[in-house]
Amino acid sequence: GAVVSQHPSWVICKSGTSVKIECRSLDFQATTMFWYRQFPKQSLMLMATSNEGSKATYEQGVEKDKFLINHASLTLSTLTVTSAHPEDSSFYICSARVYGNEKLFFGSGTQLSVL
Amino acid sequence: GQQLNQSPQSMFIQEGEDVSMNCTSSSIFNTWLWYKQDPGEGPVLLIALYKAGELTSNGRLTAQFGITRKDSFLNISASIPSDVGIYFCAGSTSGTYKYIFGTGTRLKVLA
Repeated sequence: GAVVSQHPSWVICKSGTSVKIECRSLDFQATTMFWYRQFPKQSLMLMATSNEGSKATYEQGVEKDKFLINHASLTLSTLTVTSAHPEDSSFYICSARVYGNEKLFFGSGTQLSVL
Repeated sequence: GQQLNQSPQSMFIQEGEDVSMNCTSSSIFNTWLWYKQDPGEGPVLLIALYKAGELTSNGRLTAQFGITRKDSFLNISASIPSDVGIYFCAGSTSGTYKYIFGTGTRLKVLA
């Protein structure tokens, strides 16, 4: 099956610092990746769609200058949370779509805690 | 953002029992996916549905794409303790590849 690797699994940072999360498709090329955010005991909320070689498309209400997305290759997308604040603490999960396939495969998630 | 409504929100069942849950939307979807999520992990894909009326199985799991294209159903037969987790449905309209996730059904199995 399609494997998506996400790193780091968890990160603790100080308020005001930036944090980068990586998402890699290990055994397939992903032209499109998606970033989701999940608060405790809640569902997954789509933040943005990451397209290889072009700018990301952000969902309404998501600050593109705070959540920087880069999709420089067909196997790697990164999410950078800039100037993190405690309210940015959440579980961030990436997913990748296999080209020609409607299926989404998810990474294992990154728990971000901002102190 | 938009969410799909899942029912029930949570359920406790005895090991060996069958489980049914559903997902409803006010919008029409062209693809339905069902996932299971364990605590602290990303969702794992269980079943994908592509056509209205489609019935697809994966081991003890069976899912159906509703005829109206506004709902989907997941059944688990003969539940076992490892079925514990949160089950999410996700729907997508054609061409967007963006999936909206349901509110989730939290399943707890009593041995």
